[in-house]
Amino acid sequence: EVQLVQSGAEVKKPGESLKISCKGSGYSFTSYWIGWVRQMPGKGLEWMGIIYPGDSDTRYSPSFQGQVTISADKSISTAYLQWSSLKASDTAMYYCARRIVGAHYFDYWGQGTLVTVSS
Amino acid sequence: EIVLTQSPATLSLSPGERATLSCRASQSVSSYLAWYQQKPGQAPRLLIYDASNRATGIPARFSGSGSGTDFTLTISSLEPEDFAVYYCQQRSNWRGFTFGPGTKVDIK
Repeated sequence: EVQLVQSGAEVKKPGESLKISCKGSGYSFTSYWIGWVRQMPGKGLEWMGIIYPGDSDTRYSPSFQGQVTISADKSISTAYLQWSSLKASDTAMYYCARRIVGAHYFDYWGQGTLVTVSS
Repeated sequence: EIVLTQSPATLSLSPGERATLSCRASQSVSSYLAWYQQKPGQAPRLLIYDASNRATGIPARFSGSGSGTDFTLTISSLEPEDFAVYYCQQRSNWRGFTFGPGTKVDIK
């Protein structure tokens, strides 16, 4: 069974750093892309970026380029999303999702990680 | 950048009724359009990919159609569990992925 299991909810202060994770299982982690999607409170879905763990090829949405870093550790089948200096506006639910190579959609999603940034 | 527009923003229907949701792209996306369902407190779930293909485990009452710039998600007879928000999504090469703003289907 394909599963993407994300790390737990985080409460941080503005200016702090954070790294959240997404662990894949039930499939060949290095053969599929992992994307990250933001959902701000009460709002829609926004694509942030995507990584191919097989060779760490990474692409970012222009809206998020320079704001976050996406990485992966294929030895433990885990992708990451990190911030070096959080802002209150980073408060949101963050989802990871799997994309088949060559596909134009995300077929499996993690359960989401809620990040709250507040002083 | 390709922009997706969904209409209506909210659709108020009763169980058993037919739901027709629209997604329009600002330029052609061929057939590379997907639909997702999101219920409160849950992650999105893939319903339809490549405009008209049902994802694994999706009931036959969900169907997708369209190509180019105009797409439709139809739910033939609404079940209580179908009341949710529905998003369309496209991918345009390496300009990335974009989602529409969503259509909320709520109980009339």
